[in-house]
Amino acid sequence: SQKIEQNSEALNIQEGKTATLTCNYTNYSPAYLQWYRQDPGRGPVFLLLIRENEKEKRKERLKVTFDTTLKQSLFHITASQPADSATYLCALDIGGGGADGLTFGKGTHLIIQP
Amino acid sequence: DVKVTQSSRYLVKRTGEKVFLECVQDMDHENMFWYRQDPGLGLRLIYFSYDVKMKEKGDIPEGYSVSREKKERFSLILESASTNQTSMYLCASSLQGMGYTFGSGTRLTVV
Repeated sequence: SQKIEQNSEALNIQEGKTATLTCNYTNYSPAYLQWYRQDPGRGPVFLLLIRENEKEKRKERLKVTFDTTLKQSLFHITASQPADSATYLCALDIGGGGADGLTFGKGTHLIIQP
Repeated sequence: DVKVTQSSRYLVKRTGEKVFLECVQDMDHENMFWYRQDPGLGLRLIYFSYDVKMKEKGDIPEGYSVSREKKERFSLILESASTNQTSMYLCASSLQGMGYTFGSGTRLTVV
């Protein structure tokens, strides 16, 4: 069964609106959760890390929430721009404590339309 | 900024060949990782290392080995390449509990 679930369908958002991406996980207690951006043919680029004792984290137009009870993270891009179009990956330290490497979701393809 | 350099952007190898994929990072990170990425399967962890000469198996280590003789260099070895190892290979490094820095990837085709 899938350990980490992200919406596999592309998400189309109009420029200027807020894009919200979801990451759900099951049966684990990660010490932290991370979000990455990946452009076609390139390696992922780290965006944000949120720890289990943090509810929310912000960086410029990005905001991440982490609900360990629901086992869910939401990733928001406010005032979205066409340049934000990419695949966004969430990743978990499923072993806890950072000991076993990150496990990645399959990603959500975000398209920001002008 | 941390830079992770993978030696080749594209590689074509024949079935049965021994293949070396090299990865070098320049910021003294203790952790290094090898992933492969395939359509529909996402990123899957092959091997990782937390220190020189240390290695740990990830989720899909079969058919691969690794070497870490120096802190900055982490090599992935395909002992006898097979067509099902055709993939995008991504190397990453990190400090403990921090975000990963990935290389640009090596697209390997085994024919």
